[in-house]
Amino acid sequence: SYVLTQPPSVSVAPGQTARITCGGNNIGSKSVHWYQQKPGQAPVLVVYDDSDRPSGIPERFSGSNSGNTATLTISRVEAGDEADYYCQVWDSSSDSVVFGGGTKLTVL
Amino acid sequence: QVQLVQSGAEVKKPGASVKVSCKASGYTFTSYGISWVRQAPGQGLEWMGWISAYNGNTNYAQKLQGRVTMTTDTSTSTAYMELRSLRSDDTAVYYCARDYLRAVAGSGYWGQGTLVTVSS
Repeated sequence: SYVLTQPPSVSVAPGQTARITCGGNNIGSKSVHWYQQKPGQAPVLVVYDDSDRPSGIPERFSGSNSGNTATLTISRVEAGDEADYYCQVWDSSSDSVVFGGGTKLTVL
Repeated sequence: QVQLVQSGAEVKKPGASVKVSCKASGYTFTSYGISWVRQAPGQGLEWMGWISAYNGNTNYAQKLQGRVTMTTDTSTSTAYMELRSLRSDDTAVYYCARDYLRAVAGSGYWGQGTLVTVSS
């Protein structure tokens, strides 16, 4: 089955840029979606279809996808961005949705 | 506004079944599919499956095939997820989530989650 690999943790100072990667075999050929989840809350979709933002999501959140790596970029990081972030794809070969293992973003 | 409201927490014994409901409002229920995702304590997100609210077509995660059934009641705009033969490792928060724009384009609206505890 298809595997998505995320770093367990990423740390960044306030005001800096955080980049969270999601690795998968030829992931550039798939549509990648990203979720933010804060403790005790349901996930929130922050980027869909590689780089589109749902309404209400700040422009500081952006995404890219090429080759074997998709990236969620959070610019001008704020304390409120501290959360777990998950990538997700649809794997047509197995006809199933796959989540990455999640990345804990810590704002120093 | 789109809302998904799930049923309350459940405690079940191993071998029992649980049925979680997800009542939708604020949109045309039959226009979007519903996914079910679970999260074991301290763990990541696990996709369980998807159901079309339009025609009831389902797609289940292979590891849950035979134990899970997803249904909808269009008269009440409610989706249901039933999991049978519960085991301790089924203890998790169960979420329903609506397709954002279309199937496989991400889930843009989530329920509040339902904690299911399996314990003898």
